[in-house]
Amino acid sequence: DAGITQSPRHKVTETGTPVTLRCHQTENHRYMYWYRQDPGHGLRLIHYSYGVKDTDKGEVSDGYSVSRSKTEDFLLTLESATSSQTSVYFCAIRDRNTEAFFGQGTRLTVV
Amino acid sequence: RKEVEQDPGPFNVPEGATVAFNCTYSNSASQSFFWYRQDCRKEPKLLMSVYSSGNEDGRFTAQLNRASQYISLLIRDSKLSDSATYLCVVSATSGTYKYIFGTGTRLKVLA
Repeated sequence: DAGITQSPRHKVTETGTPVTLRCHQTENHRYMYWYRQDPGHGLRLIHYSYGVKDTDKGEVSDGYSVSRSKTEDFLLTLESATSSQTSVYFCAIRDRNTEAFFGQGTRLTVV
Repeated sequence: RKEVEQDPGPFNVPEGATVAFNCTYSNSASQSFFWYRQDCRKEPKLLMSVYSSGNEDGRFTAQLNRASQYISLLIRDSKLSDSATYLCVVSATSGTYKYIFGTGTRLKVLA
């Protein structure tokens, strides 16, 4: 299995609090992605990174920010969590022109 | 219009049946195509890449039609264990390297 881990795996947080999810890889892959998955919507791209300090927005980036200060870590931050951000979050890594591999997901509940 | 579209299903088929899924994409610059399988509450896992000439892996056949901008997945001799959600992925191999998923097609194979 690809060396990719997400933390935490489960989190419950209150509305208005900041939350940071971490994606860590040991594969030295250039590309990293954050998705959210909700019923009826499939996986929607939040943000992605194509190198250290190089990130760009996906289709549902509002309310989220990311940082990638080193190759192995890609952080997703919810600046002020809302109930609409309750979801399952997946991180993926990918080398150029190859398929992506996924972490096991983080279940986030905002109450 | 979404960049990648799939019929959400569900497709309910008897064991032994042949079933086909299609996935259409809107970005003609897309160069890489994949099919993933996702089991309930799990991360997506690569089923197969889709090559221009079409490719086969056991009971699974994937095809690409660039002119009409769609990819397809054919499953022959369906097994109960094939029950899952099947997601198509489209990616450009230059520029952004976005990795965009369709919403997924749910398959249920019935005994």
